[in-house]
Amino acid sequence: DTAVSQTPKYLVTQMGNDKSIKCEQNLGHDTMYWYKQDSKKFLKIMFSYNNKELIINETVPNRFSPKSPDKAHLNLHINSLELGDSAVYFCASSLEGRRNYGYTFGSGTRLTVV
Amino acid sequence: ILNVEQSPQSLHVQEGDSTNFTCSFPSSNFYALHWYRWETAKSPEALFVMTLNGDEKKKGRISATLNTKEGYSYLYIKGSQPEDSATYLCAFWMDSSYKLIFGSGTRLLVRP
Repeated sequence: DTAVSQTPKYLVTQMGNDKSIKCEQNLGHDTMYWYKQDSKKFLKIMFSYNNKELIINETVPNRFSPKSPDKAHLNLHINSLELGDSAVYFCASSLEGRRNYGYTFGSGTRLTVV
Repeated sequence: ILNVEQSPQSLHVQEGDSTNFTCSFPSSNFYALHWYRWETAKSPEALFVMTLNGDEKKKGRISATLNTKEGYSYLYIKGSQPEDSATYLCAFWMDSSYKLIFGSGTRLLVRP
């Protein structure tokens, strides 16, 4: 039933490891996003894909690589994790070009790098 | 750099009080303004999406207005209830961009 689901919900890992966070939506949306909630609680856009094509790539270290195998999935892979990567990462989806359409968010993945 | 500012940062009110908060955004290249409600340990949920200057939206006791010429939106809650306690986020969508820029939110706590 869950519209936008992220896994895992919690992720604790050591510095230097490589990890992935997965996101799936069953709403038929064509655009998906990754947001990072920073230390001041702002939601900052990282990436966006529309129909498997990258359309937003903010200034994010290239250790972060998104992958969209199809328009219902957007995964986030992080190489060589650093302490500063600890944050909550949110996936969201919407319909591209529909400006009167809100985003649907996943429940977040809390990443802790130790 | 696009700034979306919300005020106040936090607000404590008594049950039954009415309250309002402000979202300020760039007044040029407006495309849409979103309001989200974000309860602790949950994900943000869309409340309103506003696209036209002068728009007013209402959902139960919550309403919002939009002034794109001066770059602000107000969110009003009439007769606040404890279940209204949440962070209220606004987000600005600039024309020709593909992204929502979020404000830092107004954290509302309604005391019984």
